Amino acid sequence: NAGVTQTPKFRVLKTGQSMTLLCAQDMNHEYMYWYRQDPGMGLRLIHYSVGEGTTAKGEVPDGYNVSRLKKQNFLLGLESAAPSQTSVYFCAIRDGSKNTEAFFGQGTRLTVV
Amino acid sequence: GESVGLHLPTLSVQEGDNSIINCAYSNSASDYFIWYKQESGKGPQFIIDIRSNMDKRQGQRVTVLLNKTVKHLSLQIAATQPGDSAVYFCAENFASGGSYIPTFGRGTSLIVHP
Repeated sequence: NAGVTQTPKFRVLKTGQSMTLLCAQDMNHEYMYWYRQDPGMGLRLIHYSVGEGTTAKGEVPDGYNVSRLKKQNFLLGLESAAPSQTSVYFCAIRDGSKNTEAFFGQGTRLTVV
Repeated sequence: GESVGLHLPTLSVQEGDNSIINCAYSNSASDYFIWYKQESGKGPQFIIDIRSNMDKRQGQRVTVLLNKTVKHLSLQIAATQPGDSAVYFCAENFASGGSYIPTFGRGTSLIVHP
């Protein structure tokens, strides 16, 4: 998925640990999104950003924080990981137009034990 | 389509058959819809889109149909190939607070048997 890079690709955390997931884009798109994907649940929006310095809550924001200090980067933080946060996390980007598709990163598989 | 519990709806077809994947969307005000394909271990990728002023759009081997009356989308894949095996999601760009949020259905797993 050219243009959207997520790091790390895999991580195992212990309950209570913290971590930050990084999404970096080189397409100069305004909108960035963090989703989580669980079996049978599709993609659920955690937080999103419509531009540098702005963030907003999505459908499932609890337990996560985000920051968009630079246009090309969108960080997702877990302050105190819980087993319920075991999931695959996807970052997506989109330009500011109404009728355009999203581009996704390859995902981060996070396991909290 | 909708799913219950941990299992996605699954469509199994033979190689060479045509596949039809269905999706219901939620917001009658949405006017842009997209189908994504997600292969195992990868992020979703754009397949085809359609605007609400159309009821059909064709791509290479894929066709999307839109029925706004019943808020229904379908993706038709002609001459399905093993490489088409994946999870397929429909999505709408949902208007929220002046911005547009890609909002996804639960997905359908397509299995193509050689």
